[in-house]
Amino acid sequence: GAVVSQHPSRVICKSGTSVKIECRSLDFQATTMFWYRQFPKKSLMLMATSNEGSKATYEQGVEKDKFLINHASLTLSTLTVTSAHPEDSSFYICSAGDSSGADTQYFGPGTRLTVL
Amino acid sequence: RKEVEQDPGPFNVPEGATVAFNCTYSNSASQSFFWYRQDCRKEPKLLMSVYSSGNEDGRFTAQLNRASQYISLLIRDSKLSDSATYLCVVLSGGYNKLIFGAGTRLAVHP
Repeated sequence: GAVVSQHPSRVICKSGTSVKIECRSLDFQATTMFWYRQFPKKSLMLMATSNEGSKATYEQGVEKDKFLINHASLTLSTLTVTSAHPEDSSFYICSAGDSSGADTQYFGPGTRLTVL
Repeated sequence: RKEVEQDPGPFNVPEGATVAFNCTYSNSASQSFFWYRQDCRKEPKLLMSVYSSGNEDGRFTAQLNRASQYISLLIRDSKLSDSATYLCVVLSGGYNKLIFGAGTRLAVHP
C-alpha cells in the first residue's frame, strides 16, 4: 500500500517555540493532505485540508495563524505550530490522498508533541 | 450531538469470544463508512469499508443500516492481537472529509 512518513515522530519543546512537522507521501503524488490532532482517549479531529499549490482550508475553531500549513509539492506538506503552549501537546497525524477522494487516505505514523 | 458516536468500552473478552461494536452517525447524507483499527500511540489503519449489503473479511463482519444510521462490526474468534481501539469512520456528505468516532477499546485476554 501507499506509504506516508512523518517527521519527527516525537518532539518536546519549550513553551513559546515553534515546531515544524513534515508529512511526505513516499510512493505516490498526494493532491490533498489532511492534518489531524488527537488528544488522549479522544477521536481524531480534522484540523485542516491542504491542496497542493493552494491555501489550506481550516476547520472551525482551528487558528490558521497558529497552525501554519504549507503544501508546496505533491509529496510534502508541513504543519508549523507557532508559539506552542502546553495545551497544544497532542498527537498530530497527517494523511495523504490521491485524486480518488477523501475516502482513500493513507495515514502517517503521527508526531507526538509535548510542550513544556 | 457528536457526528459519530461509539460506546467507548472497554470490552474485555476472552480469546475465542465473539464481540460486536456499534456506531451511530448523525448526518444522513454521509456517503461512505469504514472501520479503522488504532493501536496505542499509533496511527489508525483501515480495517474494512462498510457496505449496505454487509461485508465480511475473515473473522470480521461489517454491517450498515442507512435507515437507522447505524454501523456495526462483529469480530469472531477473538485473538489477543485483536486488542486495540476500533474507530467508526464516516465520510461526511458534501464536505469530502472523514469524521472519526472516539473509538471502542477492545482487550482480549488469554
